[in-house]
Amino acid sequence: DAMVIQNPRYQVTQFGKPVTLSCSQTLNHNVMYWYQQKSSQAPKLLFHYYDKDFNNEADTPDNFQSRRPNTSFCFLDIRSPGLGDAAMYLCATSRVSGGGDTQYFGPGTRLTVL
Amino acid sequence: KNEVEQSPQNLTAQEGEFITINCSYSVGISALHWLQQHPGGGIVSLFMLSSGKKKHGRLIATINIQEKHSSLHITASHPRDSAVYICALQGAQKLVFGQGTRLTINP
Repeated sequence: DAMVIQNPRYQVTQFGKPVTLSCSQTLNHNVMYWYQQKSSQAPKLLFHYYDKDFNNEADTPDNFQSRRPNTSFCFLDIRSPGLGDAAMYLCATSRVSGGGDTQYFGPGTRLTVL
Repeated sequence: KNEVEQSPQNLTAQEGEFITINCSYSVGISALHWLQQHPGGGIVSLFMLSSGKKKHGRLIATINIQEKHSSLHITASHPRDSAVYICALQGAQKLVFGQGTRLTINP
């Protein structure tokens, strides 16, 4: 059974055209994360939610926003995608943060910017 | 210097060989994760360790907190084990990822 679901798996957008990526979870976990992973690089944390508490990484561009309307869903909004934003975007969840809990990752959404 | 270093960066072996991937780190941690990522795919959590050793099937992970070192072993390797293996440190709020080890197992 899928536990962390990301839609779509592949997304193509045009330079500057807003795009929204979706993540949902069936684990009822408190924490949801968004990572950006570029080719041959390690994932980079963009932000995370602990319940409704939003935590932005200091170096996450303002172009990236997130929403978590309820426990199950979290969205990544890219307001004006640039060519450099083409990457795999990974969503992950955990029960708690900072306590050494396993993170469960989704399959990722690969974003192409034309 | 990166907080977490993996070695080797790339590893090619024949089916059936015993595989070892190493992870060294320089900071205090509450736990260390081993993750697996297949090409173009999402990430699967293999182990979370805070001490000692864990085994799951053909996979074994060990950690030495004093030496700040962890190893992932694969016994009787198989081509389906081909993937990138990532060591990640559990920090106060987030994971700190190593650069990964690309493992290729040839039939």
